[in-house]
Amino acid sequence: DTAVSQTPKYLVTQMGNDKSIKCEQNLGHDTMYWYKQDSKKFLKIMFSYNNKELIINETVPNRFSPKSPDKAHLNLHINSLELGDSAVYFCASSRRELGYNSPLHFGNGTRLTVT
Amino acid sequence: GQNIDQPTEMTATEGAIVQINCTYQTSGFNGLFWYQQHAGEAPTFLSYNVLDGLEEKGRFSSFLSRSKGYSYLLLKELQMKDSASYLCAVRPNQAGTALIFGKGTTLSVSS
Repeated sequence: DTAVSQTPKYLVTQMGNDKSIKCEQNLGHDTMYWYKQDSKKFLKIMFSYNNKELIINETVPNRFSPKSPDKAHLNLHINSLELGDSAVYFCASSRRELGYNSPLHFGNGTRLTVT
Repeated sequence: GQNIDQPTEMTATEGAIVQINCTYQTSGFNGLFWYQQHAGEAPTFLSYNVLDGLEEKGRFSSFLSRSKGYSYLLLKELQMKDSASYLCAVRPNQAGTALIFGKGTTLSVSS
């Protein structure tokens, strides 16, 4: 199936731990994103990569570090997890060369719970 | 800054028509998107507008007025499965950059 897939789907961990979320897309897209959706369902952009290069880095604590080994992958590593990091994290991708109307395709999300 | 406003909640009955409004003030504008998100699932793309006017796609239509910074999503012949959150999003900069989302409108459809 062609899709954006992210793992794990659920992640429960304790404060202070370090964790990673992986994302892969097989849509042939050149731009990938990480969004955070809080308990009020607000989707907020965190990072955007185009052809493995960082192009957006919103005001996110530097405990969050994205890494793009190639165009098809964008992983998110989080250090020293805090309670406020609990949220659903969505990976997404799009194809820049298609133009302004290129929609984002989202993965199914990773629900992170920090206890 | 970027500001996108939409109502938090709406209710409607099966078979009815509902209009979900969205107003935006962004640093730039290269199109407005509507997404549907069912509880516990990923947002899925519904529509895109960049020129003023109405775009129709089956039971769903989306309207844009750039001069007013205003859009709406119109859902006709509502079905129970249309109960979901509807997210308005703007692409403020050049193609390939992120969408900025509103906080979403939760629509509840009852029989």
